This record gives sequence, C-alpha cells and structure tokens, in this order.
Amino acid sequence: EVQLVESGGGLVQPGRSLRLSCLGSGFTLGDYAMSWVRQAPGKGLESVAFIRSKAYGGTTEYAASVKGRFSISRDDSKSIAYLHMNSLKTEDTALYYCSRVDYSGSYYYFDSWGQGTLVTVSS
Amino acid sequence: DIQMTQSPSSLSASVGDRVTITCRASQSISRYLNWYQQKPGKAPNLLIYTASSLQTGVPSRFSGRGSGTDFTLTISSLQPEDFATYYCQQSFSTPPGTFGGGTKIEIK
Repeated sequence: EVQLVESGGGLVQPGRSLRLSCLGSGFTLGDYAMSWVRQAPGKGLESVAFIRSKAYGGTTEYAASVKGRFSISRDDSKSIAYLHMNSLKTEDTALYYCSRVDYSGSYYYFDSWGQGTLVTVSS
Repeated sequence: DIQMTQSPSSLSASVGDRVTITCRASQSISRYLNWYQQKPGKAPNLLIYTASSLQTGVPSRFSGRGSGTDFTLTISSLQPEDFATYYCQQSFSTPPGTFGGGTKIEIK
C-alpha cells in the first residue's frame, strides 16, 4: 500500500524558515516525480513545487507565488521528499500535502496523497 | 499562466441524481485535465486523468469528457459518499500545474 507521511509543520514567525518532510513507503520513491500542494484554510488547492525523478533529470518547478523562497529536494535513498520554505509570509499559512506524481514527460497527475502537515505563519 | 474556471462553485443534489460539473481552461490544454475529489478533513483523491481515464478503484458512475478548453465530470447516479468538493487540474503546462477553484456538491 502506498503511503505518504508529512511532518515538520508548525507555528513560525513571518520571515523565518521551515522544512517539511514527506516519507514514502509501499513504492520506490526514486521512480516517481513528487510534488507539494497546499490548501489555505477554507480555500482551494494550489500546487507549489514539483521535482522530477532522476530518470527525468531530477529538475524542479515552482509556482510563481513561492519561486525564489521555496525549494523542493529529494533523498531517494531515504524515500523522503523535502520542502524548504524561506522568508515565510502570513499568506503561506496552509495545510501542505505531499503527493506522488505519475509523470510521463508530457502529462502528469497526482495519484497518491499524504494527510498533510499544517504550517501557520503568524507573529 | 493557464487559468482554470469551474462551474458551478456549488450545487445541491439528491441521491440518485445525475450531476455534471464543468471546467474551462483559459487556453487549449488538449486532454491534459485531471479530476480530484476531496471530502471534508481528508486529502484529495484522484478520480480521472487525461480527461477521461478512470483511476483504478474509482466507481464507474464517474466519467470525464472534453478536450481543448472545455471539460466535464459527470456522476451518473449520485451516492451518499459522493457529497464532496471536486477539483479539476490542468497538466498541459510545465508543472506544477494549476487547479480550478472547486465545486462543492451538497445534499438537497
């Protein structure tokens, strides 16, 4: 059974940093692209970061709202994907989901999701 | 950036009803459109990918159609467990892709 478990969320002051982790099990994380999708309280879904598998170069992509502040990385030997968040703003407050991505090089979709970790940015 | 617009934003329906949700892209996205279901307090769940392919384990009462800019998700006979919020997501442009604003299906 595919499982994704996020951790690392919490309360942080504006301008500070936080690192989220996503531990995958039940599949070989290195074979998949991974993504982070967030949901602000009472709002819709926003995909913020994406990392391809090594087979596709391991390259990264970001939403405009987080580009230059957030960084996604992966450690396939540990089956973990990370989201490094710097210069946090109050509008980054959200539940952050980790998702496995079925990525063919053309189309892609989020086929498995964790339960999320809550990030609250407040002074 | 490609914008995704869903309509309606919410609807009320009864068990057994046929329900159709629409998703429109701001430019052609071919068939690179996915649908997700999210129940309160839960993570989203993939229903349909590339416009009309049913994800493994998803009931056949769910179906998707469309190409270009206009897409639909249809539930042929609404069941109690289908009351949820549904999101479309385009995967035509460079990841990470964009979601529609969601359609909430409520019990009439």
